[in-house]
Amino acid sequence: EVQLVQSGAEVKKPGESLRISCTGSGYNFTTDWIAWVRQLPGKGLEWMGMIYPGDSDTRYSPSFQGQVTLSADKSISTAYLQWSSLKASDTAIYYCARHLAVVTFDFWGQGTPVTVSS
Amino acid sequence: QSALTQPRSVSGSPGQSVTISCTGTISDVGGYNYVSWFQQHPGKAPKLMISDVSRRPSGVPNRFSGSKSGNTASLTISGLQAEDEADYYCCSYAGTYTFEVFGTGTKVTVL
Repeated sequence: EVQLVQSGAEVKKPGESLRISCTGSGYNFTTDWIAWVRQLPGKGLEWMGMIYPGDSDTRYSPSFQGQVTLSADKSISTAYLQWSSLKASDTAIYYCARHLAVVTFDFWGQGTPVTVSS
Repeated sequence: QSALTQPRSVSGSPGQSVTISCTGTISDVGGYNYVSWFQQHPGKAPKLMISDVSRRPSGVPNRFSGSKSGNTASLTISGLQAEDEADYYCCSYAGTYTFEVFGTGTKVTVL
């Protein structure tokens, strides 16, 4: 059974750094892209970018380029989303999803809530 | 790249049909046959309902169908059921600079 399990909720202060994770199981983690999607409180879905765990190739939405960093450790089937300096506007739920094909996200993680507040 | 445009809400009675539109441009919806639809219940992760404009993944009821005409894609729910009440999002490929973009989302209410 394909599963994506994300790390738990985070509460951070503005300016702090953060890395959240997404661990895959039940399939070959290295051969499918992993996408990251943001959902601001009470708002819609936003495509942030994706990473190919096999070689760590990345694609970023222009809206998120330079704001976040995607990485992966294929040895432990885990993808990461990280910030070097959080802002209050980063408060959201972040989802990872298996990117089976173009705009085809067939399995999703449970979401990681991130709260940034002073 | 702006989000694709969806109606904020649609509603229907049980058994009726509703259609959700997803309007983009020639640079996204109109330029490629890569449109997917996702269902999201409150507090839950999204679920893939339609891919490649009209392909229904295994396990998705056949009352869900997708289509596209020009720069607008559509999701139709036929025979509306109570459990269909949720938010729905379209997503389209948008080329090698923007890559993929979601719609603004539509709340479906079953009256």
